[in-house]
Amino acid sequence: GESVGLHLPTLSVQEGDNSIINCAYSNSASDYFIWYKQESGKGPQFIIDIRSNMDKRQGQRVTVLLNKTVKHLSLQIAATQPGDSAVYFCAENNNQGGSEKLVFGKGTKLTVNP
Amino acid sequence: DGGITQSPKYLFRKEGQNVTLSCEQNLNHDAMYWYRQDPGQGLRLIYYSQIVNDFQKGDIAEGYSVSREKKESFPLTVTSAQKNPTAFYLCASSIWQELNYGYTFGSGTRLTVV
Repeated sequence: GESVGLHLPTLSVQEGDNSIINCAYSNSASDYFIWYKQESGKGPQFIIDIRSNMDKRQGQRVTVLLNKTVKHLSLQIAATQPGDSAVYFCAENNNQGGSEKLVFGKGTKLTVNP
Repeated sequence: DGGITQSPKYLFRKEGQNVTLSCEQNLNHDAMYWYRQDPGQGLRLIYYSQIVNDFQKGDIAEGYSVSREKKESFPLTVTSAQKNPTAFYLCASSIWQELNYGYTFGSGTRLTVV
């Protein structure tokens, strides 16, 4: 079964607010995590990644936080814009059986209200 | 520009028919993957291939078949044995065992049974 999940299936925010999307993972051996953005009818696009030797990584308007103690990952989007409306999901490098593959969560649908 | 191309964007299948979804990449990636995405669900792995002429079953391989005769191409055939094929299909590629930046995804094929 999947080892990556999300706390909330939907999130609605006002334009200009900050958004926080959460993800829980169960494989403590995972050492690499990625956040993807998927717009309607399109393929997922890489947003930001983080390795397990880091707690925080920042990109342009996005920050990923990793808490290995509770196996929790979050994506923070600053000053959310209408173009940020999409499904966001996390992925972990599930290195089981020596075969590195990504395992994806179910996703959170972010809606940005004008 | 390097990328991964899926075709067609929309595909309709009659009951009992086999259909083939195309996936081509010019990124010189070793590994290619096929995922199925259903509404409200995450990505489920159908098949993956690490190298030409070799491929492995994923979590939901039943009713699907693949081939990897060229590094650039990884077509997926949805056979009549797949009883519920209506879904959004995503192809991805990566450098095998080197998951920096994760997977590159195509734009998807939406398959509908009519």
